[in-house]
Amino acid sequence: NAGVMQNPRHLVRRRGQEARLRCSPMKGHSHVYWYRQLPEEGLKFMVYLQKENIIDESGMPKERFSAEFPKEGPSILRIQQVVRGDSAAYFCASSLSTSYEQYFGPGTRLTVT
Amino acid sequence: QQQVKQSPQSLIVQKGGISIINCAYENTAFDYFPWYQQFPGKGPALLIAIRPDVSEKKEGRFTISFNKSAKQFSLHIMDSQPGDSATYFCAASSTSNTGKLIFGQGTTLQVKP
Repeated sequence: NAGVMQNPRHLVRRRGQEARLRCSPMKGHSHVYWYRQLPEEGLKFMVYLQKENIIDESGMPKERFSAEFPKEGPSILRIQQVVRGDSAAYFCASSLSTSYEQYFGPGTRLTVT
Repeated sequence: QQQVKQSPQSLIVQKGGISIINCAYENTAFDYFPWYQQFPGKGPALLIAIRPDVSEKKEGRFTISFNKSAKQFSLHIMDSQPGDSATYFCAASSTSNTGKLIFGQGTTLQVKP
């Protein structure tokens, strides 16, 4: 049973470009959470999605960031017009429901040059 | 009220010793308290978790102690090994809400041989 998969593992973007991060949850999991980890810091919640619905985006910056979890395919975190401050590790986690454990993927390390 | 405070920031323990990491929370709606272990360049891995209906949970060398009235919980690693050297994060969530995890700041553990 494959765990949570994220790709790419490493992503380098120039300032102003777009970054697309993908997350495939564990089989049978329909709840996806995205977290961001800045260098030398803890993990911060960004957004919580269920299939085709954004449930809680209270941790997402108001501009340039968006997320989706379509009926088919992986969840995508999209960052438009990246800036140096977006450089971080982005992790997704999946769960059976809000009452169950969250399992994390290996993360995507975004570097903005 | 959403914060989870974790201490110490770093910890050095001799092989075979006991490692103790403490966390405190404020939000009484939190009802799920996991601990994650993270190695450099990897995603957080769920170690052990507790719900407030019990005061202690043990899995192998790892024990969570939970004090509901004090709103504190701690991780004890018995017989610490060099392979336990990693960063540990406590977290809390409200499973009746969105289940998003609020993380502590992390503790870097070094176990000396």
